[in-house]
Amino acid sequence: GNSVTQMEGPVTLSEEAFLTINCTYTATGYPSLFWYVQYPGEGLQLLLKATKADDKGSNKGFEATYRKETTSFHLEKGSVQVSDSAVYFCSPGGGSARQLTFGSGTQLTVLP
Amino acid sequence: DTGVSQDPRHKITKRGQNVTFRCDPISEHNRLYWYRQTLGQGPEFLTYFQNEAQLEKSRLLSDRFSAERPKGSFSTLEIQRTEQGDSAMYLCASSADSPSGDYTFGSGTRLTVV
Repeated sequence: GNSVTQMEGPVTLSEEAFLTINCTYTATGYPSLFWYVQYPGEGLQLLLKATKADDKGSNKGFEATYRKETTSFHLEKGSVQVSDSAVYFCSPGGGSARQLTFGSGTQLTVLP
Repeated sequence: DTGVSQDPRHKITKRGQNVTFRCDPISEHNRLYWYRQTLGQGPEFLTYFQNEAQLEKSRLLSDRFSAERPKGSFSTLEIQRTEQGDSAMYLCASSADSPSGDYTFGSGTRLTVV
């Protein structure tokens, strides 16, 4: 099955700092790659996705590029805001597995 | 469509009682998934339906857990003889039948077993 390794948290940044959250995955077949965000007490919301190698997903200033050669999908944002404070989950999905597979997530706290 | 709906949002039950949760997926989505999430952890896959057929079950899904999707629309997850270790957030997600289909999650049901 699929698996994912994410950068350990928690990550604490000041507002307007640059963010990188590393994500590497293992999968059989050709998965799509997703980043989800979870706010306290809520379900997961899709942040961005990429469906094939070298695709770049982007949304709300966040970006991630599907790197098949390094099996990575690192999340970046040039200038974080306090409202970005949440838990971020990287996940491979599809390919030979129907369901998404999650790691422990990365807790991000942005301080004003 | 208002997305994936889960009911109830919160459930407190005494140990040994049975509980049932409901999930209403996005109407066009024929795939439905149940996950369990404990504090500080990522969601763990429990089971998956394509239409009304339950195609995959995790080893996490003990005999006390049963899920149904009788008409290929809403789904229920029942836990019999609840234990304190069942306390968690139970998340439902749905997706279209497409390799790159987005998975849409509900807000979850928070179960507390006392």
